[in-house]
Amino acid sequence: DAGVIQSPRHEVTEMGQEVTLRCKPISGHDYLFWYRQTMMRGLELLIYFNNNVPIDDSGMPEDRFSAKMPNASFSTLKIQPSEPRDSAVYFCATLRNRAGELFFGEGSRLTVL
Amino acid sequence: QKEVEQDPGPLSVPEGAIVSLNCTYSNSAFQYFMWYRQYSRKGPELLMYTYSSGNKEDGRFTAQVDKSSKYISLFIRDSQPSDSATYLCAMSLYGNKLVFGAGTILRVKS
Repeated sequence: DAGVIQSPRHEVTEMGQEVTLRCKPISGHDYLFWYRQTMMRGLELLIYFNNNVPIDDSGMPEDRFSAKMPNASFSTLKIQPSEPRDSAVYFCATLRNRAGELFFGEGSRLTVL
Repeated sequence: QKEVEQDPGPLSVPEGAIVSLNCTYSNSAFQYFMWYRQYSRKGPELLMYTYSSGNKEDGRFTAQVDKSSKYISLFIRDSQPSDSATYLCAMSLYGNKLVFGAGTILRVKS
């Protein structure tokens, strides 16, 4: 299996622009998580899905952030409009069952100027 | 107070040393305890996975969970330069929604 695939790996954009991050989960994994990692705050859970349904979005910082999972093979995290404080590495991770190993993608490094 | 506390380091040790990494937590309901290793510019990878209290050993790595003290540890024996990475503790009530520590940067000098 190719693992969790994220794109783009790097994104540099200007404040106010829309950013879309993409994730292809491991086939057969029921759970998908979006995390954000910064030096100041570490790894923070933004939202997670179970069988394509959003279960907990309490970590989404504000309305500028939205996430979708239209099918079992694809998820997006969108920031509109982006701000410099959104600069971080965004990770997608997936889990096969309720408890087990969480597999992370390589991350999308976002810089908002 | 953060739900999971972890000293960010960096921790610098000579090759061959025994390394001790620790986390404390506040939520006594946590049942699943994990250690992830993250190399620079990579995603975290699972290193050790423990359910409830006790010890678990895997090669040079030993994970300990003390639920009465709300304290978990990771020991690395005979540390190698390739162990240089950030080590993140993580814990969960049900195994799915993980809460991570800040991560400890470890540097093993050859």
